Amino acid sequence: TQLLEQSPQFLSIQEGENLTVYCNSSSVFSSLQWYRQEPGEGPVLLVTVVTGGEVKKLKRLTFQFGDARKDSSLHITAAQPGDTGLYLCAGRSGGFKTIFGAGTRLFVKA
Amino acid sequence: EAGVAQSPRYKIIEKRQSVAFWCNPISGHATLYWYQQILGQGPKLLIQFQNNGVVDDSQLPKDRFSAERLKGVDSTLKIQPAKLEDSAVYLCASRPLSWIRQGVDTGELFFGEGSRLTVL
Repeated sequence: TQLLEQSPQFLSIQEGENLTVYCNSSSVFSSLQWYRQEPGEGPVLLVTVVTGGEVKKLKRLTFQFGDARKDSSLHITAAQPGDTGLYLCAGRSGGFKTIFGAGTRLFVKA
Repeated sequence: EAGVAQSPRYKIIEKRQSVAFWCNPISGHATLYWYQQILGQGPKLLIQFQNNGVVDDSQLPKDRFSAERLKGVDSTLKIQPAKLEDSAVYLCASRPLSWIRQGVDTGELFFGEGSRLTVL
């Protein structure tokens, strides 16, 4: 069974701080997505990484896919209260199934 | 382009009662998913349809849960009878049959806002 483990589970920081969240697996994924979910809403796609070692930037967010395509990280620079939410990583296996990690709940205090 | 529509947004029932959730995917999306998200956890796949056929229902508790997508468009998820542990957000997602990025079918999903179920 493929599993995605996210860490930390919960993070509370002050506005302006930097942070990194991790998504790890023992399995190889053909691609991996990061979603953000706000209370009362469905997850919204932030980015997809496909190539091992790939780095993508989305404003203050930097996403990296591990060389072996088993893990990924999300780094936020100068966090803002608007970054508050649940960050989910999801991986697509060789089949048609997309599985999700348990998520990292981020709270950014003003 | 309209997004994935779900209803109702909220439902409160007592245990042993039944409930149904409806989902209308993005127009033209052949694949439709129902996920269950319990508070504090990530979404767990319940069932995946491709057009009107079931691709994966291995994690659907078939003694109480059922789902259909009769015309290959909208879908209904039913729970009967409900248990306390069914309290969760039920998320519907859709995607085109093929969604290629950088030469790979990436599996990106488009989610609705979810239906929050509370079982008392």
